[in-house]
Amino acid sequence: QKEVEQNSGPLSVPEGAIASLNCTYSDRVSQSFFWYRQYSGKSPELIMSIYSNGDKEDGRFTAQLNKASQYVSLLIRDSQPSDSATYLCAVNPGSGTYKYIFGTGTRLKVLA
Amino acid sequence: NAGVMQNPRHLVRRRGQEARLRCSPMKGHSHVYWYRQLPEEGLKFMVYLQKENIIDESGMPKERFSAEFPKEGPSILRIQQVVRGDSAAYFCASSLDTPQGYTFGSGTRLTVV
Repeated sequence: QKEVEQNSGPLSVPEGAIASLNCTYSDRVSQSFFWYRQYSGKSPELIMSIYSNGDKEDGRFTAQLNKASQYVSLLIRDSQPSDSATYLCAVNPGSGTYKYIFGTGTRLKVLA
Repeated sequence: NAGVMQNPRHLVRRRGQEARLRCSPMKGHSHVYWYRQLPEEGLKFMVYLQKENIIDESGMPKERFSAEFPKEGPSILRIQQVVRGDSAAYFCASSLDTPQGYTFGSGTRLTVV
């Protein structure tokens, strides 16, 4: 069974620090990887996508992908209290499928 | 340019009633996806539809659940004879073609009492 694993947290970091969120996946042929942010009671919001090995930066966010290790991470620099949310990792296995497999999310708390 | 619109935002049904959840995709989008999020769980794929066709319903429970995306009007997720275990947030997303990351609607939170 294809799985996406995340530590549920909570991960607590002080304001201004770097938050590091991790995700592993089981299907080696997975092609596309996404990070979503979900505030309590709200819908998931896409914040990053990554498709090839290495780093991809967008503002304070950096996504990192290592397909050999089946590992994807999200770094949030200069964390703010407004970053406090649940972060969901999603994987598209490829092979013509449009569905995503989501992890259960990591709850991040940024302490002011 | 409105995003993905879902209604109602909140829906309360008694056990045994029917629930109808509606999703209007972004303008010009012909692909719709439904996901369910149970409390404290991740999002689970339910069904993928294109106009008038169900493409992949591998995540739909075998009984009581159905989905449609007619030529005109919104996509509908229908749950017959609801049970307490159906209580969840149901999210819809849409895309033009191959999605490069879904944009979700605001969701419908179904509570079965």
